[in-house]
Amino acid sequence: TQLLEQSPQFLSIQEGENLTVYCNSSSVFSSLQWYRQEPGEGPVLLVTVVTGGEVKKLKRLTFQFGDARKDSSLHITAAQPGDTGLYLCAGGNEGSRVGAQKLVFGQGTRLTINP
Amino acid sequence: ETGVTQSPTHLIKTRGQQVTLRCSSQSGHNTVSWYQQALGQGPQFIFQYYREEENGRGNFPPRFSGLQFPNYSSELNVNALELDDSALYLCASSSRADTQYFGPGTRLTVL
Repeated sequence: TQLLEQSPQFLSIQEGENLTVYCNSSSVFSSLQWYRQEPGEGPVLLVTVVTGGEVKKLKRLTFQFGDARKDSSLHITAAQPGDTGLYLCAGGNEGSRVGAQKLVFGQGTRLTINP
Repeated sequence: ETGVTQSPTHLIKTRGQQVTLRCSSQSGHNTVSWYQQALGQGPQFIFQYYREEENGRGNFPPRFSGLQFPNYSSELNVNALELDDSALYLCASSSRADTQYFGPGTRLTVL
């Protein structure tokens, strides 16, 4: 069974601070996705990384895929109250010739940015 | 907004009852995946339907069953409800190797 462990599970920081969320597994994934989920809504995709060592930036968010494709990190610079939400990482596997990847999710990091 | 809709939004059932949840996929998407998200947890894969056929199943008992229709909308059925079935049920639609777009979910409470 593939598992993804996210840390920390809860994080509360002040506006303007930097933070990093980690997503670790003992399994190799073909891709790693990061989602953000607001209360009462489904997860919304932020980024997909597929190559070991890959780094992607989305404004103040930086995503990295580990060299061995077993772990990933999300770094937020100068956090803002609008960044508050539940951040989920999800691993995908290429294995089926049809359909979509069956995603394995971490338990999530609940981030609160205080003004 | 993703274009994926789910109904109902909220549902309250009692133990032993049966429930049907519905998902309308985004136009042009032929794959629907269902996930269960317990409170404080990440979503867990239940099963996936591709072109009306089941295409993979997670670690859920047979009382969780599904269906996909010719228009690619889908249903999730749960029989003999248990208290632990209380969760947010999410569906996600996609095309092959494309981004999965999640609906807002159905919040199921089992009393």
